[in-house]
Amino acid sequence: DAGVIQSPRHEVTEMGQEVTLRCKPISGHDYLFWYRQTMMRGLELLIYFNNNVPIDDSGMPEDRFSAKMPNASFSTLKIQPSEPRDSAVYFCASSFADSYFSGNTIYFGEGSWLTVV
Amino acid sequence: QKEVEQNSGPLSVPEGAIASLNCTYSDRGSQSFFWYRQYSGKSPELIMFIYSNGDKEDGRFTAQLNKASQYVSLLIRDSQPSDSATYLCAVSRPNDYKLSFGAGTTVTVRA
Repeated sequence: DAGVIQSPRHEVTEMGQEVTLRCKPISGHDYLFWYRQTMMRGLELLIYFNNNVPIDDSGMPEDRFSAKMPNASFSTLKIQPSEPRDSAVYFCASSFADSYFSGNTIYFGEGSWLTVV
Repeated sequence: QKEVEQNSGPLSVPEGAIASLNCTYSDRGSQSFFWYRQYSGKSPELIMFIYSNGDKEDGRFTAQLNKASQYVSLLIRDSQPSDSATYLCAVSRPNDYKLSFGAGTTVTVRA
């Protein structure tokens, strides 16, 4: 399997611009997660979907952030307008909850490294 | 109180020694516990998970869980320079498939 695929891998943008991060989960996985990682705050869950439906968006920092999952193989995380404090690595991850006791192993993509200047 | 707490390190161990990493969690309802390894500039990758009290071994790695003490640990035996990384502890609740992560412990294995 190709794993979780994210794009772009790196993006540098100016403050105020719109940023769109994209994710293709592992085929067959029914959960998709967006995490953000910074040195100060570590790995934070922003939002997650189950079968394309947002389940918990309590980690989305503010209205500037939005996420969609129009189908089982694609999700976007959008920041509009972007600010320097949004600079971070954004990870998309997916999992397949086949059995509670198998562990809901989450597989991460390689991340999108965002710098807002 | 943070949901998952880890000593940030760095933890420096000589090659061949045992590295011991600790993690505590605040939610008594937590059911599954995970250890991820993250190399610098890379994404986290799963090492192992545990959900029953006691020990679980996988190669050179042993996870230990004590739910009464809300404590989970990871032992790395015969540490190798390639084990140098940040180790993230994560927990989840029953029927809740999101993971909450600790800040991670950075391990350096000295050759």
